[in-house]
Amino acid sequence: GENVEQHPSTLSVQEGDSAVIKCTYSDSASNYFPWYKQELGKGPQLIIDIRSNVGEKKDQRIAVTLNKTAKHFSLHITETQPEDSAVYFCAASLNDMRFGAGTRLTVKP
Amino acid sequence: DAGITQSPRHKVTETGTPVTLRCHQTENHRYMYWYRQDPGHGLRLIHYSYGVKDTDKGEVSDGYSVSRSKTEDFLLTLESATSSQTSVYFCAIATRGTSGRVNTGELFFGEGSRLTVL
Repeated sequence: GENVEQHPSTLSVQEGDSAVIKCTYSDSASNYFPWYKQELGKGPQLIIDIRSNVGEKKDQRIAVTLNKTAKHFSLHITETQPEDSAVYFCAASLNDMRFGAGTRLTVKP
Repeated sequence: DAGITQSPRHKVTETGTPVTLRCHQTENHRYMYWYRQDPGHGLRLIHYSYGVKDTDKGEVSDGYSVSRSKTEDFLLTLESATSSQTSVYFCAIATRGTSGRVNTGELFFGEGSRLTVL
């Protein structure tokens, strides 16, 4: 089955800086790659997703890039704010959806 | 808000006792999922349902059973809880882009049920 690896496990940035979280996947046929944000005590919430026929997608301060040849995709958050502090999960889906282990992002004011 | 309610939100139990977690949705969505979340493992699928009385296993189904007798309720049962089942359990629904366990659309998660097995 699909295997998703996510790095780093923790990330600390200063407010206003950019944050990048990277994921790799094993099944080259996977075709859907969502990113979820989980705040303390809450369930994960979808923040952005990308499909295999697209290389990049942006939504305000958030962007996701996909490199199908290298089988990796990344989440980019620009101009980080304290409210971006949370755990972020990537996932890859084909016949099954598998999640990465998560990245705890801390934005220091 | 996708209208998902999980209960109980917190439970402490002893090894060997049965435990049932309930997921209730108010919007009649067909697909419902149970995940467990553990440090270092992200979210792992336990079981899912694609309709009333229609369920199937996920990645980590051993030791768990599920039932769905009504569209709105999806129950997760641990017949004899073990310490390795200490975890946070999340219910999720899919509103589109789903065929069985394959999901290419947004999942809406409940707020989780924290289970501690002593």
